[in-house]
Amino acid sequence: EVQLVQSGAEVKKPGESLKISCKGSGYSFTSYWIGWVRQMPGKGLEWMGIIYPGDSDTRYSPSFQGQVTISADKSISTAYLQWSSLKASDTAMYYCVRPYGSGSYYSWFDPWGQGTLVTVSS
Amino acid sequence: DIVMTQSPDSLAVSLGERATINCKSSQSVLYSSNNKNYLAWYQQKPGQPPKLLIYWASTRESGVPDRFSGSGSGTDFTLTISSLQAEDVAVYYCQQYYSTLSITFGQGTRLEIK
Repeated sequence: EVQLVQSGAEVKKPGESLKISCKGSGYSFTSYWIGWVRQMPGKGLEWMGIIYPGDSDTRYSPSFQGQVTISADKSISTAYLQWSSLKASDTAMYYCVRPYGSGSYYSWFDPWGQGTLVTVSS
Repeated sequence: DIVMTQSPDSLAVSLGERATINCKSSQSVLYSSNNKNYLAWYQQKPGQPPKLLIYWASTRESGVPDRFSGSGSGTDFTLTISSLQAEDVAVYYCQQYYSTLSITFGQGTRLEIK
């Protein structure tokens, strides 16, 4: 079974750094792109960016370029989303997602991780 | 970015009745070389991640009840639930995957029981 399992909820203060994770299993981790989607409280879905673990090729939504860093460690089949200095507006649920087909990221997303809730508050 | 606009923002439908959700893209998501519409639909229930319902605008994901159907082409798409069940209460999103610059979602449509 293809699965994405994310790290647990985080509570941070503004200005702190954070790295959340998403571990893929049940498929060849290096052959599929893996991405991140933000959902702010009570709001819709926003695609943040995506990485190809095979060669670390990374693409960002223009809205998130420079705001976050996406990385992956193929040795442990894990993708990461990190912030160097959190803001209160980063409070949201973050989902990792895998595009359906290997080799291409312009696809529907299935599966989705269970989500990681990030709360940033002083 | 391709902007996806759903209508209505919310709707209430009686059990057993038809529910229709629309999604309009700011530019065509039909790829002429393969004649496929790069459009998916998701269902999100409270406290859960979105669940894939439909891809290529009209192909139902395995295991999705056949009361769910997708239609449309180019810039105008529809998700139809033919006979609303209580378990269909959720927020529904469309998504375009045509643009390699940025994948975008509609703002969501909240479906409730009347």
